[in-house]
Amino acid sequence: EAQVTQNPRYLITVTGKKLTVTCSQNMNHEYMSWYRQDPGLGLRQIYYSMNVEVTDKGDVPEGYKVSRKEKRNFPLILESPSPNQTSLYFCASGPLGPPWYNEQFFGPGTRLTVL
Amino acid sequence: QQQVKQSPQSLIVQKGGISIINCAYENTAFDYFPWYQQFPGKGPALLIAIRPDVSEKKEGRFTISFNKSAKQFSLHIMDSQPGDSATYFCAARTSGSRLTFGEGTQLTVNP
Repeated sequence: EAQVTQNPRYLITVTGKKLTVTCSQNMNHEYMSWYRQDPGLGLRQIYYSMNVEVTDKGDVPEGYKVSRKEKRNFPLILESPSPNQTSLYFCASGPLGPPWYNEQFFGPGTRLTVL
Repeated sequence: QQQVKQSPQSLIVQKGGISIINCAYENTAFDYFPWYQQFPGKGPALLIAIRPDVSEKKEGRFTISFNKSAKQFSLHIMDSQPGDSATYFCAARTSGSRLTFGEGTQLTVNP
């Protein structure tokens, strides 16, 4: 089954304790991205990657890191989480290039609470 | 700064009615405008999309209307059903595959 998986789905942690949220896709997509979803703000992009070893900042990158060592995996790292990073996080993947549209496929989400 | 503005934030419609959600954008470099649908506890999923050289696209009960000169586009859901109750996001694509999303609209369709 074609899918994007995220782990963990739920996480409660404390300020300053490093954590990693994993994301994996089995569709051989070049493009992967992380978003955070907050009420009234919609989905905001944190980081994205156009291919292996190619990553770039989205609209809200502060406090986050990513890496893309393999095509299928795109982990999100919070080295020193703070309460303002409490949010619902989504990983997405999609193909690049033609045709004129390219759908992004979203994972099920990770609800993170930082105390 | 939100590059894609979406309204209303919430919408309640009776079964069989028409749901209309509006979006406006500023960046004329956007080249693709999708709508995503999100059910509680799930990730967003592509519903319908349009490119800016087309004024309207219809798929079943869902229609996108696009006004390039006004930099606005809207989603119309005809004959709304309780199963359509979800959060809807408009989006616009910039370079590569980057999507900028609107704030979201929580739609409730009452039986």
